[in-house]
Amino acid sequence: DIQMTQSPSSLSASVGDRVTITCRASQGISSHLAWFQQKPGKAPKSLISGASSLQSGVPSKFSGSGSGTDFTLTINCLQPEDFATYYCQQYDAYPLTFGGGTKVEIK
Amino acid sequence: QVQLVQSGAEVKKPGSSVKVSCKASGGTFNNYAITWVRQAPGQGLEWMGRIIISDSATYAQKFQGRVTITADKSTTTVNMELSSVRYEDSAVYYCAREVRGSDYYFFSDYWGQGTLVTVSS
Repeated sequence: DIQMTQSPSSLSASVGDRVTITCRASQGISSHLAWFQQKPGKAPKSLISGASSLQSGVPSKFSGSGSGTDFTLTINCLQPEDFATYYCQQYDAYPLTFGGGTKVEIK
Repeated sequence: QVQLVQSGAEVKKPGSSVKVSCKASGGTFNNYAITWVRQAPGQGLEWMGRIIISDSATYAQKFQGRVTITADKSTTTVNMELSSVRYEDSAVYYCAREVRGSDYYFFSDYWGQGTLVTVSS
């Protein structure tokens, strides 16, 4: 199975900050990487697919980059509604696997 | 617009089976896949399996032999049945629609609201 390692597991940031979350795959996955946002008690929301393509309706302050084994999610100008847990997922090979999540908290 | 509506919460005894449904609306049902993901309390996301509506189902090895995912095209509903449930199967179960990208790989875009399954004696 492909292991997905996210870092950090949590971070504290202030409104207006820019944050970057990294995701590393245990083997190359081309650009078959998605990012999701999840708020407490809610279903995940799809943000990005193909490592860098924003899903419809997702604001441009979210951006993704990377290919192969190393990927990043950047959130510009953090707003109160952005405080959540973020997960990466590889969909290059079965079984699909998720990173452990990064909890973004208010400083 | 695309909607995935899941069935309601379930309480099951150990050793029994549970079936969770996911009704899709919006889009062309035959053109996509439905994947199932679960989340135990306070834990991360775990992929269980997917069905490509025009093809077949693939399951995570962990659940092989216990999970069955089926699609009913007439009602645009996908069902996930988990058998021989154990206490550690208590979790929120999510379905998600997957669409095929330009490189023919499926990725998730819309999610159901989740179904809480509690295993309790």
